[in-house]
Amino acid sequence: QLQLQESGPRLVEASQTLSLTCAVSGGSVSRGYSWSWIRQSPGKGLEWIGYIYHTGGTYYNPSFQSRVTISDDGSKRQFSLKLTSVTAADTAVYFCARVLRQFFDSWGQGIQVTVAS
Amino acid sequence: QSALTQPASVSGSPGQSITISCTGTNSDIGTYDLVSWYQQYPGKAPRLILYEVNKRPSGISDRFSGSKSGNTASLTISGLRAEDEAVYYCCSYVGGSSLGFGGGSLLTVL
Repeated sequence: QLQLQESGPRLVEASQTLSLTCAVSGGSVSRGYSWSWIRQSPGKGLEWIGYIYHTGGTYYNPSFQSRVTISDDGSKRQFSLKLTSVTAADTAVYFCARVLRQFFDSWGQGIQVTVAS
Repeated sequence: QSALTQPASVSGSPGQSITISCTGTNSDIGTYDLVSWYQQYPGKAPRLILYEVNKRPSGISDRFSGSKSGNTASLTISGLRAEDEAVYYCCSYVGGSSLGFGGGSLLTVL
């Protein structure tokens, strides 16, 4: 059974960089899977941030293009999100997820991140 | 602003069927059969219930079904149960290696 677990600072100062990590355990991390970050602002819907392909290539939501970096550690058992120059609008629950053929088949439980102004 | 348009809320009585629509454009739903649906309970992570328009992951009840016509995808839940009360999100490949979500539909079981 695949498990994903987000971790990182839950409070980030405005204008600083939000950094989160997703640890992957159990299940398959074989080629064909990609890994993604999605967020959900308070009382709002889901927003795709971006993903990293099994090849290492990255693709981002244009809304975040200039501020976001998704990377992995090479083992496919851990991948990370960095979002720079954060504002209060970046306060959200951040989810990591496994991606197969453009759908999210496994999700982490999510981590609440608050940006303090 | 969401890439895809869903009704904010839908409701139905136990045993009935309901349908939630998800409207996109010629560039996303109209072109790709890459629509997925997610169920989310308050305070929980979303759960995949349909992918590639109408395929169910293992363990998902056959009461959940999906379809697509033109630029609109639909999720139908038959034999409605109290446990189906949740928020449902559609998602589609929108081209350019990007994905977009609908705004979510709150299902209320009366």
